Amino acid sequence: GDSVTQTEGPVTLSEGTSLTVNCSYETKQYPTLFWYVQYPGEGPQLLFKVPKANEKGSNRGFEATYNKEATSFHLQKASVQESDSAVYYCALGGTNTGKLTFGDGTVLTVKP
Amino acid sequence: NAGVIQTPRHKVTGKGQEATLWCEPISGHSAVFWYRQTIVQGLEFLTYFRNQAPIDDSGMPKERFSAQMPNQSHSTLKIQSTQPQDSAVYLCASSLTSTDTEVFFGKGTRLTVV
Repeated sequence: GDSVTQTEGPVTLSEGTSLTVNCSYETKQYPTLFWYVQYPGEGPQLLFKVPKANEKGSNRGFEATYNKEATSFHLQKASVQESDSAVYYCALGGTNTGKLTFGDGTVLTVKP
Repeated sequence: NAGVIQTPRHKVTGKGQEATLWCEPISGHSAVFWYRQTIVQGLEFLTYFRNQAPIDDSGMPKERFSAQMPNQSHSTLKIQSTQPQDSAVYLCASSLTSTDTEVFFGKGTRLTVV
C-alpha cells in the first residue's frame, strides 16, 4: 500500500532561520502530493498541493518540489516566523480521489 | 461558508457505551471522508462516501464501527461498545467531488473513553 515518511520531530528553530522537512513516499499510483498544516484544536488545513511530477508548489513562503525520481517532496522555507509553529503533514492522494495517506507529522516550534 | 461542522467537539463515554459522532459537510460537497487521529497511529483514513453512497471503508475496524450518510447534509460515525483504545480525535472532511483532491477538514471530535 501507499506510505509516507517524513522528518521526525520535534523541530525547534529560531525566527529567521531556514526550515527543511523531509518527505518521501511509496506508491504504485501517479499521486498528487500535499503539505497540510495543523494548529492546536483545528483540523489539518491545506498548505499547497502539486499534482504533477517535477512541478513546484508554494504558499505563504513555503515551497516543495515533486521529485518523482527520488520519490520526495521536501518542504522548505527560507525564513520561519513564530506564527509558523504548528504540525506539518506530508500527504499522498491517489489519482482523482480525495482519499489521503498522511505521514506522521512534524511538530515545528519557532522561538522568537 | 462555515466549513465542515463536527459535533460534539468533545465526548466522554464510559467503556462499553455507544458513541455517535456527527458531521455536516460543506454545502454542495458530494464526497465525505472520516479519519482518526491518535498520537501513536497518526492520521488514519477510515471511510468515505460519494453522493451518500459508501465507496471505500478499507480503514474501518471490522467490529463496532459503522458510518452512514442518510442525506447530503450529514454523516455519522457510530462506535458501539467503546473501548479505551477508541480514544482519538475523529476528523470529518469533504470535497466538492470525489475526484477533487482538495479536501477540507472539520475541527474534529475528541472522543475519550474512560
